[in-house]
Amino acid sequence: AQRVTQPEKLLSVFKGAPVELKCNYSYSGSPELFWYVQYSRQRLQLLLRHISRESIKGFTADLNKGETSFHLKKPFAQEEDSAMYYCALGDNAGNMLTFGGGTRLMVKP
Amino acid sequence: DSGVTQTPKHLITATGQRVTLRCSPRSGDLSVYWYQQSLDQGLQFLIQYYNGEERAKGNILERFSAQQFPDLHSELNLSSLELGDSALYFCASSVGIQGARNEKLFFGSGTQLSVL
Repeated sequence: AQRVTQPEKLLSVFKGAPVELKCNYSYSGSPELFWYVQYSRQRLQLLLRHISRESIKGFTADLNKGETSFHLKKPFAQEEDSAMYYCALGDNAGNMLTFGGGTRLMVKP
Repeated sequence: DSGVTQTPKHLITATGQRVTLRCSPRSGDLSVYWYQQSLDQGLQFLIQYYNGEERAKGNILERFSAQQFPDLHSELNLSSLELGDSALYFCASSVGIQGARNEKLFFGSGTQLSVL
């Protein structure tokens, strides 16, 4: 069975500080990993996916198969980054996304 | 605006009742997904439809059912409601059959169900 764990429910940092939102997964196949974000009063939306190896809004995430992790990082947090972040794992069949419990990021001025 | 529309936004009902949640996918999207978000369980995948046919099933209770109509909108039916069914129900859509693995999902704003 696939599982995604986000150990921190809440992460609070000051503006300009580095941010790392942790995500660990458990999956027997070849993982496809995503980060979704939900800003206040907005819909859940895709932030980035590991296959694209992209940087969105200054965020990056590297898949570490040895540690089964896909942590989301940003060197300098901004207040507008405050949101709920969900790590998600796609299954081999390509039909189901398993989400972690989410981490609420609060960036203080 | 993602283009995915869910109605109603809020629904308050009593235990034992039945409700129907509606989702209209983005124009051109053939796949619809339903998710349940509760405080203790997080975001749970319920079911996926592609072009009218059930494609994948997740942690969906037998009391729940869904369908996708020829115009591609989808309905999630919840029956014999229990207090624990209170949650935010999200619908998402994507273009094709590949599903969440290879495609971007577009989410609706959700229906908040409160069972009293």
